[in-house]
Amino acid sequence: GNSVTQMEGPVTLSEEAFLTINCTYTATGYPSLFWYVQYPGEGLQLLLKATKADDKGSNKGFEATYRKETTSFHLEKGSVQVSDSAVYFCALEIPGAGSYQLTFGKGTKLSVIP
Amino acid sequence: DVKVTQSSRYLVKRTGEKVFLECVQDMDHENMFWYRQDPGLGLRLIYFSYDVKMKEKGDIPEGYSVSREKKERFSLILESASTNQTSMYLCASSWGVNEQFFGPGTRLTVL
Repeated sequence: GNSVTQMEGPVTLSEEAFLTINCTYTATGYPSLFWYVQYPGEGLQLLLKATKADDKGSNKGFEATYRKETTSFHLEKGSVQVSDSAVYFCALEIPGAGSYQLTFGKGTKLSVIP
Repeated sequence: DVKVTQSSRYLVKRTGEKVFLECVQDMDHENMFWYRQDPGLGLRLIYFSYDVKMKEKGDIPEGYSVSREKKERFSLILESASTNQTSMYLCASSWGVNEQFFGPGTRLTVL
């Protein structure tokens, strides 16, 4: 079956530090990969996505590259801000499977301190 | 602005009660989803629907049912609430193979 594994949190960083949140996946077929973010008290919202190998998704200073050879989609940001404090979810979807289901990782909570 | 709304942000119910959680989207999306979110377990899919009156079981459907009578509305029903159904419930919608848009969630407590 399909699965997503994220690094366990919580992660605490100082403002302007470099962020990496690791994500690896197992999938049958060729998945599309996503990072979703959940700010306190809110639902999830899409942060970035990549639909094929070597694609790079980017948004709000965050980046992730679809690495088929290592089955990974690590999230990075060069300089985090307090406003980036949130829970981050890696997810995959198998296009053409007919069900449009997302498989999520367990989430990584990030806290950024001034 | 696209929107998924859920009927309540917080809900407290007693064991054995029938509970309805409502979700409405204004984007004319075909697909709608119900998840529960628990600490350390992430999001788990309960049910989804890809058309009016259609439903499919997700990973954890036991103890839940759903209803989709209109395209914009997807209801989650707990026939007889139990304490282990205390959780955050998230509704989402999407069109085809595209991003899912989430509602703000309903935090349900079953006493």
